[in-house]
Amino acid sequence: GAGVSQSPRYKVAKRGQDVALRCDPISGHVSLFWYQQALGQGPEFLTYFQNEAQLDKSGLPSDRFFAERPEGSVSTLKIQRTQQEDSAVYLCASSLARLAGEYEQYFGPGTRLTVT
Amino acid sequence: GNSVTQMEGPVTLSEEAFLTINCTYTATGYPSLFWYVQYPGEGLQLLLKATKADDKGSNKGFEATYRKETTSFHLEKGSVQVSDSAVYFCALRGSQGNLIFGKGTKLSVKP
Repeated sequence: GAGVSQSPRYKVAKRGQDVALRCDPISGHVSLFWYQQALGQGPEFLTYFQNEAQLDKSGLPSDRFFAERPEGSVSTLKIQRTQQEDSAVYLCASSLARLAGEYEQYFGPGTRLTVT
Repeated sequence: GNSVTQMEGPVTLSEEAFLTINCTYTATGYPSLFWYVQYPGEGLQLLLKATKADDKGSNKGFEATYRKETTSFHLEKGSVQVSDSAVYFCALRGSQGNLIFGKGTKLSVKP
């Protein structure tokens, strides 16, 4: 079946613009994670959903970052008033796990955001 | 807090050489440990995992053993191929199920 998909794959935004990044998880996957990967670094956790509930948003770097998953499937990560330091690859991952269990996280290809 | 430290890259090897990429972790308790691989132009893929102390994860000729005494999870392969060229990430599972990654090690294998 289809894997995790993300769109757009590439996004260039001028500083101060708002952007919205979309994640389509694998069908039936309950858990959804967003990560931010700066150039030359490992991915860093942003936020976690279990179905439509956002259970952890401790990794969001500022209140300009907002994520939602209103129907427990597709998720959108929104960044308001983008800054140059927001330039990174944004990764989405989904998992069957209902709790913090041992199921594999499947990653999407990422959205590369460049803020100019 | 939980963290992962892995050896700096890049690592350049000749085909059929032995590979070791060191990974150590700091964590409360005994979290599951993972190695992920990112091939050029592709997304992150799970390579192998271990869920408890002394477990050995293995896949595609790669191995790593969960060592609680040394808080390590070093990745090894006896004979690397050009197709193994990629970036390798060590990770542990946090309390919410999120993954905590190291910075990654780029491996280049020359024919």
